[in-house]
Formats: sequence, C-alpha cells, structure tokens
Amino acid sequence: GESVGLHLPTLSVQEGDNSIINCAYSNSASDYFIWYKQESGKGPQFIIDIRSNMDKRQGQRVTVLLNKTVKHLSLQIAATQPGDSAVYFCAVTSGSSASKIIFGSGTRLSIRP
Amino acid sequence: KAGVTQTPRYLIKTRGQQVTLSCSPISGHRSVSWYQQTPGQGLQFLFEYFSETQRNKGNFPGRFSGRQFSNSRSEMNVSTLELGDSALYLCASSFGLAGGTGELFFGEGSRLTVL
Repeated sequence: GESVGLHLPTLSVQEGDNSIINCAYSNSASDYFIWYKQESGKGPQFIIDIRSNMDKRQGQRVTVLLNKTVKHLSLQIAATQPGDSAVYFCAVTSGSSASKIIFGSGTRLSIRP
Repeated sequence: KAGVTQTPRYLIKTRGQQVTLSCSPISGHRSVSWYQQTPGQGLQFLFEYFSETQRNKGNFPGRFSGRQFSNSRSEMNVSTLELGDSALYLCASSFGLAGGTGELFFGEGSRLTVL
C-alpha cells in the first residue's frame, strides 16, 4: 500500500545552522504535500505545503522541495532557532478525503545551543 | 478565531470501560476527522465526518465509533477499552473535505491512558 517514510527519526543541529528534514513517498499519484510541526504536548500545526506541479516553495525561514522523479520531499529550515524544536511530519495526499492523507512517522528536531 | 478544542485533555481509564472524547472545530469548518497517535504507529486515521455524515472510517475495530452534530461538533467513543488503546487522540477540522489540500487544523488532543 501507500507509504510515507522519513529518513531520520531524529536530527540534532546547532542553533543558527540550517536544518534539512527528508521524506520519501511511494504513490506517484500523490498531488499535494504538506509539512506539519508538532511541539511537545500540542497537536500538529501546518507549516507549508506544495502541489505536485511545483518543485519548490518558500515560506518564512522554511523551504519545501519536491522531487517527483525520485518521490522525495524535503523541508529546509533556515537559521534554526530553539523554538524550532519539535517533531516534523510530512503528509501526502492523493484524494479528496482525510482518509487519503498519509502521514510520515516524524523526525524529532533538537537544537544544540 | 478560536482553534480546535478537544476535551478532556487527559484521562485515565481501566480496561473494559468506555470513553467519550469531544471536539469542537474551528467556527465555520464543516469537516472533522479523528486520528490516533502512538509512538509506534504514528498518526492513524480513525474517521472523517462532514455535515453530520461519516464519510470514511479507518481500519479500526467496531469498538471505535463517532458522530457529528448539526453544529459540526464531534464526539468519538471507544468501548471496552484495551491497554493498546492508550494514545493521543487528535481531532482536526477543515472547511471542506480535507483530502484535496491536506491542510488540517488540529486540536491539542486528548491523551488517554488505559490501565
């Protein structure tokens, strides 16, 4: 069946450095890709999304890159700050229902001072 | 605009009991979906409701049920609790059916512990 996987369950970066979190998906029919951030004790929060007809999208300090050829998605966080500490999930959807949204297992990002 | 509100935030039950969790979506949102989050399985889809109708159900046993009211508020119920039901139950709302964009607005969850 469809799957979404993250390459690293944990990632530790120095404060001020850039962070890159990767995600791989299996369904080539997927057309919408989202990154969520989940802080301790809270629910996931939408960060940024990208449609399949795009390769790159930028937000405030975040960039999402989509490589449909190898079915790979990445989230780049510039100048990582302590407040970026969280678990980051990618989510992939190919249909018009929440049941079609497949979530990755999450990467825990920790920041070294 | 108030976010998604889930109650209770924490609860402890014993095996065999039943539990009801409540979710109030963002005002104007008509779709509510529920997820179970555990360390081992990640986010697993439970149900999706839109305009008081269950649109989809995930691969969970019949002990898991839910409903949506006319004001879009939703409840989920788990009967005959098992130890494995211990999890964070997340509710998410969206204006329409979420699958088209995947953008969900999550509540902070109800953490259920089954002893």
